Amino acid sequence: GAVVSQHPSWVICKSGTSVKIECRSLDFQATTMFWYRQFPKQSLMLMATSNEGSKATYEQGVEKDKFLINHASLTLSTLTVTSAHPEDSSFYICSAIHLMGSNQPQHFGDGTRLSIL
Amino acid sequence: GDSVTQMEGPVTLSEEAFLTINCTYTATGYPSLFWYVQYPGEGLQLLLKATKADDKGSNKGFEATYRKETTSFHLEKGSVQVSDSAVYFCALSDEGGSYIPTFGRGTSLIVHP
Repeated sequence: GAVVSQHPSWVICKSGTSVKIECRSLDFQATTMFWYRQFPKQSLMLMATSNEGSKATYEQGVEKDKFLINHASLTLSTLTVTSAHPEDSSFYICSAIHLMGSNQPQHFGDGTRLSIL
Repeated sequence: GDSVTQMEGPVTLSEEAFLTINCTYTATGYPSLFWYVQYPGEGLQLLLKATKADDKGSNKGFEATYRKETTSFHLEKGSVQVSDSAVYFCALSDEGGSYIPTFGRGTSLIVHP
């Protein structure tokens, strides 16, 4: 089945550091990728939707300059958390979809646990 | 807008018990419905889906039927196992929502031996 690889799976870094998370679709072309944030024991919070070759669409309340998203190719999207602080610590999950449509399931990466000291 | 409501967890069961996790939705169009499962420390995996009314999705012993009249998509399994312990998310994708999936809050299932 379709596979999405997310890297790294775990990051621990100092406050003020910028962290880049990669999301790759391994066996299909992902026209659209989603980035989610998940707090402990809570549901997924959609942060942004990115389409290949265009700017990401951010959800209300998500800082564009804080969470930089790049979707330069049909198989790779990156999320960069700039100048990360402890409140940015969370579980970040990406997903990819081949074609937008109501019957298309998302294919998820395994998530990245980000811990800012 | 679109929304998905799931029963609150955790749901705690003994092995081989019958499982039901309720899910109801509101949508402007004719959505497709999904159940995803998240095992500890991992991302989400598609468990099953249904794309139109009266469709039944099934996988790994889990089933859910798309009930348009009650706007529901309840997840069921006849005999749960310890390995089914996870968080289950109900979701929908709808033209009215520009096909951006809407997730429920998730329901934690804990199965004891």
